[in-house]
Amino acid sequence: SAVISQKPSRDICQRGTSLTIQCQVDSQVTMMFWYRQQPGQSLTLIATANQGSEATYESGFVIDKFPISRPNLTFSTLTVSNMSPEDSSIYLCSVEVQENIQYFGAGTRLSVL
Amino acid sequence: LAKTTQPISMDSYEGQEVNITCSHNNIATNDYITWYQQFPSQGPRFIIQGYKTKVTNEVASLFIPADRKSSTLSLPRVSLSDTAVYYCLVGDRFLGAGNNRKLIWGLGTSLAVNP
Repeated sequence: SAVISQKPSRDICQRGTSLTIQCQVDSQVTMMFWYRQQPGQSLTLIATANQGSEATYESGFVIDKFPISRPNLTFSTLTVSNMSPEDSSIYLCSVEVQENIQYFGAGTRLSVL
Repeated sequence: LAKTTQPISMDSYEGQEVNITCSHNNIATNDYITWYQQFPSQGPRFIIQGYKTKVTNEVASLFIPADRKSSTLSLPRVSLSDTAVYYCLVGDRFLGAGNNRKLIWGLGTSLAVNP
């Protein structure tokens, strides 16, 4: 298993600004994922972040809007850039410790005004 | 387009067995089936994973027929604390850096356990 700490747990931001979400893992992992989840809805994968390589983005998500850093095997950040109210959502990071078994952080609840 | 389909909601009572079925007709040979549980204001939590036949752990069983086009999560003797949303995930293996992972999440089944 793995313990994932996500910061901040929630934030309220003004449109046009950027927010960086941090994800810290208590062990070294190769695979990290960033998701978006609207309240009451399922998870949407934003990107896969592997240490030592560029993040791989899913259709509909671009690096300019959601830049990701993965400086080492225990840490990653996701930035939500130039925010608009449509970016209001819950952002989750997860790690894959065993093949296809993910452990999730508690999420960051973002509201954009 | 591959997708997973599961019931939107289910109701049960304490002590009963609950079975939640997920349909994944386009599952590929290398895909795994994984189930997660999510409580409000928390991230999803791993319950069980399987590839084929039956898998059992301390909290649940997973039944997968030979054609693998569906899977059934079985929760024995549910309690009030099992009230949550349950997600079915069909995912492939890591194929190397730069490759998009195939992670197909169902829309979730909201299970309500009543006293």
